Amino acid sequence: QVTLRESGPALVKPTQTLTLTCTFSGFSLSTSGMCVSWIRQPPGKALEWLALIDWDDDKYYSTSLKTRLTISKDTSKNQVVLTMTNMDPVDTATYYCARIRTREYYFDYWGQGTLVTVSS
Amino acid sequence: SYVLTQPPSVSVAPGQTARITCGGNNIGSKSVHWYQQKPGQAPVLVVYDDSDRPSGIPERFSGSNSGNTATLTISRVEAGDEADYYCQVWDSSSDHSGVFGGGTKLTVL
Repeated sequence: QVTLRESGPALVKPTQTLTLTCTFSGFSLSTSGMCVSWIRQPPGKALEWLALIDWDDDKYYSTSLKTRLTISKDTSKNQVVLTMTNMDPVDTATYYCARIRTREYYFDYWGQGTLVTVSS
Repeated sequence: SYVLTQPPSVSVAPGQTARITCGGNNIGSKSVHWYQQKPGQAPVLVVYDDSDRPSGIPERFSGSNSGNTATLTISRVEAGDEADYYCQVWDSSSDHSGVFGGGTKLTVL
C-alpha cells in the first residue's frame, strides 16, 4: 500500500525559508523509475507543479520558481524534502507530495496535503 | 513553457454526459492525465495516458486526445461527480516539467 504524508510548519513569516518533508511508504526511491514530486495549490486556485526528484537523484524544477526551490531525498528514511526560500504571502497554499514514475509521468498517489500560510 | 487551457466551469444534469476539454498546442502528441478533486481533498487520478482508468475508477469516466484538444467524458453523471477536474501533461522539452490545466468546476444541476 502506497502512502505519502507531508509535514512542516503551518505558518511562516515573509522572507523566511520553508522546509517541507514528504514521508512515504509502499515504494522505494532507490527503485529504477521511481520519483516524487511536489505540487501546490493556493486557496481556490489551480494546481501548480513545483519540483521532482528521481531514483537517480536527478532533479527538475518549475522554471518560474527554480531559483527558490531545492529538492532532496533521504532514501534510507523514505523521505523527500523541499525547501523554498524567501517566502511571500502569495506562496500561501496547500503543498502536496505525490509519487510519479518515469515513462508514465502521472501522479498516481498523493499525500493529503499541508496548508502553509505566509503571514507576519 | 507549455500551456493547458480548460473551461472554468461545466454544468450537466444527472444522468447526462459531461465533457471537459483541455486544449494545448499539438496536445495529441502528448499523454494526457486527468484528476478529480473534491473540496478539502487531495486530487485523485481518474484517467491516465489519454484514456486508461486506474483500478477502482468507474467505466463512466473515459478520455480521448487528438489534435489540439483532449477530452474527459463522464457518462451518466451522478451528484457525487461534482468536483474540480484538472488535466496534466509532462513537458519533456528543455523544461522537463509537469504542467496542469487551470481546472474545470463540474456542477451537477
